[in-house]
Amino acid sequence: GNSVTQMEGPVTLSEEAFLTINCTYTATGYPSLFWYVQYPGEGLQLLLKATKADDKGSNKGFEATYRKETTSFHLEKGSVQVSDSAVYFCALSSDTGRRALTFGSGTRLQVQP
Amino acid sequence: EADIYQTPRYLVIGTGKKITLECSQTMGHDKMYWYQQDPGMELHLIHYSYGVNSTEKGDLSSESTVSRIRTEHFPLTLESARPSHTSQYLCASSDGTSYGDTQYFGPGTRLTVL
Repeated sequence: GNSVTQMEGPVTLSEEAFLTINCTYTATGYPSLFWYVQYPGEGLQLLLKATKADDKGSNKGFEATYRKETTSFHLEKGSVQVSDSAVYFCALSSDTGRRALTFGSGTRLQVQP
Repeated sequence: EADIYQTPRYLVIGTGKKITLECSQTMGHDKMYWYQQDPGMELHLIHYSYGVNSTEKGDLSSESTVSRIRTEHFPLTLESARPSHTSQYLCASSDGTSYGDTQYFGPGTRLTVL
């Protein structure tokens, strides 16, 4: 079956530091890949996505590239802000069937001023 | 901006009570989902709907039930709540017509069963 493995947290960074959150996946076929963000007390918001190999998703300074050869979709940001403190989830959906999301375990990011 | 709503946002009840968690979306999406988020943050699919009168169990076994009588409404019911049901419940929807379509999430209901 499908699975997603992501970097355990919490990750604590100083403001303006570089961020990488690793994510690897196992899936058959050609899944779509997503990063969702969850702020305290809220639901999940889509941060970015990629639907085929070598696609790069980007939003709000965050980027991730769909690497089929390494089955990875690492999240990066060049300069984090305090407002980026949240929990980040890597997820995939299959290319067939119900296309429900399979999530990683989430990584809590804390950015200190 | 996604329009998907969940009520109540927080619910504290005693063991044995029947509860219904409401989820509504105004986007006309055919596909709707319920996910359970445990205290360790992991999310698991517990129910899925393709459309009106079509529901399936998800990957994680759940004692809850769902119904889909109208496109916009996908309520979740627990007939007799127990402390093991304490969790956050997230509802989502997608139009399901394109590859890699986005799922939009509601704000969640945090349920505590005493």
